[in-house]
Amino acid sequence: GAVVSQHPSRVICKSGTSVKIECRSLDFQATTMFWYRQFPKQSLMLMATSNEGSKATYEQGVEKDKFLINHASLTLSTLTVTSAHPEDSSFYICSAGVWDQPQHFGDGTRLSIL
Amino acid sequence: SQKIEQNSEALNIQEGKTATLTCNYTNYSPAYLQWYRQDPGRGPVFLLLIRENEKEKRKERLKVTFDTTLKQSLFHITASQPADSATYLCALGSRGFKTIFGAGTRLFVKA
Repeated sequence: GAVVSQHPSRVICKSGTSVKIECRSLDFQATTMFWYRQFPKQSLMLMATSNEGSKATYEQGVEKDKFLINHASLTLSTLTVTSAHPEDSSFYICSAGVWDQPQHFGDGTRLSIL
Repeated sequence: SQKIEQNSEALNIQEGKTATLTCNYTNYSPAYLQWYRQDPGRGPVFLLLIRENEKEKRKERLKVTFDTTLKQSLFHITASQPADSATYLCALGSRGFKTIFGAGTRLFVKA
């Protein structure tokens, strides 16, 4: 089946650091990828939709200058958390898929900002 | 606003029994509904998709029902096993709208 690889799986860094998370579709081309944030015991909250070759679409309340998304190829989307602070600590997950088909998720990145 | 409700209380059942999880929604007319499994520290894994014109879908020990009148889906795992212990998420989708996820129900299957 379709595989999505997300890297790194865990990041611990100091406040003020920028962190880049990669999401790759290994065996299919993904024109659209999604970035989610998940807090403990809560649902996946969509942050943005990443479109290959064009600007990402951000959900209301998500700062686009804070969470930079780049989707330069059909197999790679990146999320950069700029100048991260403790409140940005969370579990970030990417997925790929079209609207009426199953979403294929990466294994997530646990981000801890000290 | 659109809302999905799943039992926030964990479901504890004995091995071999049938687990039934509920997903209710409001202010939404989904074209389809999906169920995912999520293990701690991992991304969700797709299990089943059922469309608005379908009443029931089965896959091995899994069964999903979809009642658009009640705005409810039931997810059944028959002959449950300890390995089925996980969090199960339901998700709703429709053309032109983002997929929205419930918070999930934690299932514990005791040997």
